[in-house]
Amino acid sequence: EPEVTQTPSHQVTQMGQEVILRCVPISNHLYFYWYRQILGQKVEFLVSFYNNEISEKSEIFDDQFSVERPDGSNFTLKIRSTKLEDSAMYFCASIVIGTRGSGYTFGSGTRLTVV
Amino acid sequence: ILNVEQSPQSLHVQEGDSTNFTCSFPSSNFYALHWYRWETAKSPEALFVMTLNGDEKKKGRISATLNTKEGYSYLYIKGSQPEDSATYLCAFGSGNTGKLIFGQGTTLQVKP
Repeated sequence: EPEVTQTPSHQVTQMGQEVILRCVPISNHLYFYWYRQILGQKVEFLVSFYNNEISEKSEIFDDQFSVERPDGSNFTLKIRSTKLEDSAMYFCASIVIGTRGSGYTFGSGTRLTVV
Repeated sequence: ILNVEQSPQSLHVQEGDSTNFTCSFPSSNFYALHWYRWETAKSPEALFVMTLNGDEKKKGRISATLNTKEGYSYLYIKGSQPEDSATYLCAFGSGNTGKLIFGQGTTLQVKP
C-alpha cells in the first residue's frame, strides 16, 4: 500500500536554528498538508498546499514557517528560527481529492525537539 | 472558532467488551467527518469518512454513525481485542481546502 514518507523521524535542534522537515507524499495525490501535535494537545492544522501554492494556513503558520514542493515529489516544511514552543510531532499528509474522499494518508511524523 | 470534542479521553476495557466513544462537532456548515486510528509510533490510519446525516459505516468489528443535525458521531467497537488498543481521533473536514479540525482523541486500552 502506498505510504507517505517523512524524514527525519526525530530531530533535535538548538533554539534559533533553521530546520527543514521532509515529506514524500503519495505520487498521485493532489493536496498536501502539515499538521503538528504538541505533547498532550490536539493535532492542529498548519498549512494546506494545492497546485503548487498554499491554499490555507493557520495562525500558527507565521513568517517563520514556509513550505515548498521543489521537485514535484518532496514536500518540505521549513522553520527559519526555531523556538522552544515549536517542539512537537509534525505530520505530513496527502489526499487525492477533498475531504469527502477516502481520508488522508499520514506520514509517521517527525518529532522535533528544540533545546 | 470551530471546536471538536471527544469523550471519554481514555477508556480501559477487558478483552471481549464492546465499547463506544463520542465525537461532537459544529452542526452548521457540515462537510465531512473523519475517524482515524492511531497506534503509538505509527501514522494515523483512516477508518471512515462520513458525509451524510444518518450514515453508518462498518469495517470488521468497528462501526460508526453520524448525526449532522445535532453534531455528533459515535464509534463502536464490538468484542474489543488487545490489538484495538490505540488512540481514536475524529476530525471535522472543511470543504474548501481539505483542512481537518481534530478532537483530542480517545485512548483505548484493551486488557487481555
